[in-house]
Amino acid sequence: SAVISQKPSRDICQRGTSLTIQCQVDSQVTMMFWYRQQPGQSLTLIATANQGSEATYESGFVIDKFPISRPNLTFSTLTVSNMSPEDSSIYLCSGGTANYGYTFGSGTRLTVV
Amino acid sequence: EDKVVQSPLSLVVHEGDTVTLNCSYEVTNFRSLLWYKQEKKAPTFLFMLTSSGIEKKSGRLSSILDKKELSSILNITATQTGDSAIYLCAVPHTGNQFYFGTGTSLTVIP
Repeated sequence: SAVISQKPSRDICQRGTSLTIQCQVDSQVTMMFWYRQQPGQSLTLIATANQGSEATYESGFVIDKFPISRPNLTFSTLTVSNMSPEDSSIYLCSGGTANYGYTFGSGTRLTVV
Repeated sequence: EDKVVQSPLSLVVHEGDTVTLNCSYEVTNFRSLLWYKQEKKAPTFLFMLTSSGIEKKSGRLSSILDKKELSSILNITATQTGDSAIYLCAVPHTGNQFYFGTGTSLTVIP
């Protein structure tokens, strides 16, 4: 399985600011995804990061709020823009293939104050 | 509507007990089912099941898929406090996205 390095591991941010989260995979993976996990809840998919093109967003998530880049098959970023306390959550990236399974980055715990 | 349902939602056991976690699914074009263990932040991959009736085993953990019953179970024998975590079941669907169950929170008491 791929190994994914995610950073930062945690951050405390002021409302109205933006934070960019990075994920680096140790091998080329077909698919990369970004998830949010709010306290006490399961994972919610934000978007699929598409290599070389715009990400595919799930209902309730928009590009202006969560811009995503994926310049190649091993790297992706998620930006949480114009943050509010409601954005406080754990953000996770995931990557892999259908044949070999998917792994997750170590997660970013974001607190917006 | 596609969905993945896990039960129980939470479980408290004593060290040494054996636990069985359940995952049932209704997903169009089912291909595989994955189990993850989540401690602190990130889920760690446990098993991927694609074939019905074949048990996958790793130490004290084992899992099996029943395509006829549209379900899977995850067994943990001789539980330890380090097994305390949330166990997530996930089923890939179109575009390799996942449906996640709500998870089972397992607490193992010394």
